[in-house]
Amino acid sequence: NELRQPSSVSVSPGQTARITCSGDIFGKNFARWLHHKPGRAPLTLIYSDTERPPGIPERFSGSTSGTTVTLTIRGVQVEDEGDYYCYYATDKKWIFGGGTKLIVL
Amino acid sequence: EVQLVQSAAEVKRPGDSLKISCQGSGYHFSSNWIGWVRQTPGGGLEWIGLIFPADSDTRYSPSFQGHVTISVDKSINAADLRWSNLRPSDSGKYFCVTHSAVGDYWGQGTLISVSS
Repeated sequence: NELRQPSSVSVSPGQTARITCSGDIFGKNFARWLHHKPGRAPLTLIYSDTERPPGIPERFSGSTSGTTVTLTIRGVQVEDEGDYYCYYATDKKWIFGGGTKLIVL
Repeated sequence: EVQLVQSAAEVKRPGDSLKISCQGSGYHFSSNWIGWVRQTPGGGLEWIGLIFPADSDTRYSPSFQGHVTISVDKSINAADLRWSNLRPSDSGKYFCVTHSAVGDYWGQGTLISVSS
């Protein structure tokens, strides 16, 4: 029940960032992604592997392949810096990945 | 607009009891699960548990079962997280989150410091 993410990803403004998350528990549309900046409330970007909640820009997208889910951020902006966590969420249990720090160079 | 407003930061001693709260607005409070998540001083996130306000059905992470209690007061759209015997390892930032099939919305967090 472990979710594995890279510790950091670096990208230049305007480029595309991809953050992966691997875990045997995936595969049933329960993957979610959140963005967290210090001092702010976390913001869930993706649910059900690929769906965006209202208000989340289209440049954030989720995909899945087997037991790996991926968050893709197109046209990265400086404001996208921060920590990104994948998580498995049902009404019975949640599991978080270790988090990936996105560095916008 | 969905909003979750959490209670203020707390400084406590080991062995103290504590209750922190989370008040929801902008959505049908009773129909969505409310969860609690802890951010460790190192930055990682840990799931604590969930409660369904309509019937108070509660689920706990095995790591927190027996050490915390989650409850809800539907009359004021609020959920609580309680400790009866705080430990230094309980220090961290605690977030409430409303959870549904179409997304999660988070509170701003409550910072707890437990030290002798």
